[in-house]
Amino acid sequence: GAVVSQHPSWVICKSGTSVKIECRSLDFQATTMFWYRQFPKQSLMLMATSNEGSKATYEQGVEKDKFLINHASLTLSTLTVTSAHPEDSSFYICSPDRGLTNEKLFFGSGTQLSVL
Amino acid sequence: QKEVEQDPGPLSVPEGAIVSLNCTYSNSAFQYFMWYRQYSRKGPELLMYTYSSGNKEDGRFTAQVDKSSKYISLFIRDSQPSDSATYLCAISSGGYNKLIFGAGTRLAVHP
Repeated sequence: GAVVSQHPSWVICKSGTSVKIECRSLDFQATTMFWYRQFPKQSLMLMATSNEGSKATYEQGVEKDKFLINHASLTLSTLTVTSAHPEDSSFYICSPDRGLTNEKLFFGSGTQLSVL
Repeated sequence: QKEVEQDPGPLSVPEGAIVSLNCTYSNSAFQYFMWYRQYSRKGPELLMYTYSSGNKEDGRFTAQVDKSSKYISLFIRDSQPSDSATYLCAISSGGYNKLIFGAGTRLAVHP
């Protein structure tokens, strides 16, 4: 399967601070990156879709000014949670996509964010 | 009605048992079906994928799709304690992009 590197795996921060999560596709160029969020004992929910060199598309109910996504290169996408609050505590997972038809999707190892 | 329904469990079985995991979906436009395994605080790991009705087998795992009933299943034979995880079904209408996940079923296989 594809090699996806996501960092950090765990972060604890104070309320009001910003946290950056990085996702790298190590063995292919990702034209698209999907960002998911997973609350405890719940399923993955798509937050946003980013395309290299253009603005991200956010799903309904996801604040674009709070969750900043940068997809500046074909191998790196970042998600920044700005002014984090305890309700943002969740498991964030990325999934790169080459944009090929019928391509299997693989996921990063995830980032557990805990906001105090 | 949710687009994908999956019983969250938990499901507890003895080692060696056959496990049956299921999902139902509502939209007949969905064409691609996947099963992922997720260990605690890890990213999902792709187990099986299919785009047609019928069975697909890979080792101890068999994925079954019944498009007429909008019902998908994952069978695990000779279950092992290492199979203990959450199993997520995922579906898509357009290739493998923008997956819609089920709630996940927590499975515990005890020795």
